Amino acid sequence: NAGVTQTPKFQVLKTGQSMTLQCAQDMNHEYMSWYRQDPGMGLRLIHYSVGAGITDQGEVPNGYNVSRSTTEDFPLRLLSAAPSQTSVYFCASSYSSLGSGANVLTFGAGSRLTVL
Amino acid sequence: AQTVTQSQPEMSVQEAETVTLSCTYDTSENNYYLFWYKQPPSRQMILVIRQEAYKQQNATENRFSVNFQKAAKSFSLKISDSQLGDTAMYFCACRKAAGNKLTFGGGTRVLVKP
Repeated sequence: NAGVTQTPKFQVLKTGQSMTLQCAQDMNHEYMSWYRQDPGMGLRLIHYSVGAGITDQGEVPNGYNVSRSTTEDFPLRLLSAAPSQTSVYFCASSYSSLGSGANVLTFGAGSRLTVL
Repeated sequence: AQTVTQSQPEMSVQEAETVTLSCTYDTSENNYYLFWYKQPPSRQMILVIRQEAYKQQNATENRFSVNFQKAAKSFSLKISDSQLGDTAMYFCACRKAAGNKLTFGGGTRVLVKP
């Protein structure tokens, strides 16, 4: 099993450019989510999905779009990149959308994005 | 809303010694889970230990143990017999019992010195 796969691992953008961070999982997980990691602030939830066709906003959704057309994929789109979106992005998934004691998030390896 | 606070930005410890990382949290939930994640230089997020708020017994995983003080809303991590491979960023996190959304603290960087 590959687990949670994120691409690309590194990306440099210019202000105003658009791009998509890809996230794919092969574990048949219902729940998928995107976090951003910034120094001193830990990880913050951007968007999440509890199943195909269902998405919702997290703590810091502005400037990002998501969609969930299949169970496996959950891409994160930046329509017009800004320097404030320079960060490390993590995709994470879990088996159940309901959450339980045995339900833990599996994280991807992260994508470092720099916006100039 | 939940908040998680880690008051120690950086800590260093000699190899084979013990280090304790602090974490305090605030939540209005009656039942919830607490976690410690490790992030080595590879950037991968690795679950170290978890604790269910309803369980009074402190969780342990090999050299890692927690001191869970529910009334004080404190959840510290003790690393015993520190090894060079323990050098990493450590994040404390909290979530509701029924749900997947994690709220993270700002992290503590741990350096294990030979």
